[in-house]
Amino acid sequence: GAGVSQSPSNKVTEKGKDVELRCDPISGHTALYWYRQSLGQGLEFLIYFQGNSAPDKSGLPSDRFSAERTGGSVSTLTIQRTQQEDSAVYLCASSLTTGTQYEQYFGPGTRLTVT
Amino acid sequence: SQKIEQNSEALNIQEGKTATLTCNYTNYSPAYLQWYRQDPGRGPVFLLLIRENEKEKRKERLKVTFDTTLKQSLFHITASQPADSATYLCAPDRGSTLGRLYFGRGTQLTVWP
Repeated sequence: GAGVSQSPSNKVTEKGKDVELRCDPISGHTALYWYRQSLGQGLEFLIYFQGNSAPDKSGLPSDRFSAERTGGSVSTLTIQRTQQEDSAVYLCASSLTTGTQYEQYFGPGTRLTVT
Repeated sequence: SQKIEQNSEALNIQEGKTATLTCNYTNYSPAYLQWYRQDPGRGPVFLLLIRENEKEKRKERLKVTFDTTLKQSLFHITASQPADSATYLCAPDRGSTLGRLYFGRGTQLTVWP
């Protein structure tokens, strides 16, 4: 079946512009995660959605970052007034349900470059 | 604060040898620990999960151990092949927070012929 998909695969934007990154999780997966990976760094947790529960936003680095998940499926990560330090690969993952005993399935990522 | 450390340097080994990667964690006790593989330009791919009450888990040429006393997990690849070259990430859970994994920076493994 289809895996996690993300779009766009690459995004180049000017400093100060807003960007939207999209994630389509695996059908039937109720948990969805966003991570950020900077060059040579590990995966930095951003936000986590589980079903209809309030998302865990504790990893968002600033109020310029927001995310929503519509209909329990597709998710959009929005970065407002982008800064150069926002340049990174943004990865989305989904899992069957909540709980760290479930493996996460990752998408290919969106490479964001802020010039 | 909670901290995850993997092999601080890249690991280079010869084909056919066993690769051993280390994941150390401090200041908490995860209930689960997962290992992932990441190839350049791709998202991580799940390999193995081990529970705190399991000492060892195997899958084909892979073996993971989990020592809760030492706060350490070891990841072994036996009979390594050049195709095993990748970055390997360990991901213990956060202990107290459901759903959250805490990824280490990874160890870059290179297997040369």
